[in-house]
Amino acid sequence: GQSLEQPSEVTAVEGAIVQINCTYQTSGFYGLSWYQQHDGGAPTFLSYNALDGLEETGRFSSFLSRSDSYGYLLLQELQMKDSASYFCARGQNFVFGPGTRLSVLP
Amino acid sequence: DTGVSQNPRHKITKRGQNVTFRCDPISEHNRLYWYRQTLGQGPEFLTYFQNEAQLEKSRLLSDRFSAERPKGSFSTLEIQRTEQGDSAMYLCASSPGTSGEETQYFGPGTRLLVL
Repeated sequence: GQSLEQPSEVTAVEGAIVQINCTYQTSGFYGLSWYQQHDGGAPTFLSYNALDGLEETGRFSSFLSRSDSYGYLLLQELQMKDSASYFCARGQNFVFGPGTRLSVLP
Repeated sequence: DTGVSQNPRHKITKRGQNVTFRCDPISEHNRLYWYRQTLGQGPEFLTYFQNEAQLEKSRLLSDRFSAERPKGSFSTLEIQRTEQGDSAMYLCASSPGTSGEETQYFGPGTRLLVL
């Protein structure tokens, strides 16, 4: 089958670092993407890993280990505006994880 | 703003009625996707087009749902004989269509409420 698993909620304080994990079970592999969605808004693309390793984009980084069927999104120097839901997504068959709701506290 | 647009943004209908949503993708994007999202869940893939060809349909897309992209530009999603379980946010996304794996750009969605 094709499924992705994420923690449902994560809470952190401003300025901290938080890691959101994503594990997947699927046949074949087409890369792992991460999207951010604020309440009432549309998902917006954050990062994509086609191969193993770390991709860095400003305060956000994403990591993938295909052998472990695992990836994560790392958010550094958290800001209040980072409070949102974060989804990992498997490409090609357009499967999204259930999402992790991040709450950033002052 | 040249992003993905969707109309209407909100739709309230009575059970049994038909509804149609429109999506205008980013200009020159060849791929267009439809998703459904309910509260607290991730987007669920419904269908996708490469130009005017509908290449993949989810099993979620029952025979009451139909999508078209007649000229390879805008797309419509129609739901016939709506049911209360159809209440959800319907999201459209587009991507360039030049490589296998692509970033998808989402529209603001159409929120459907079936009474």
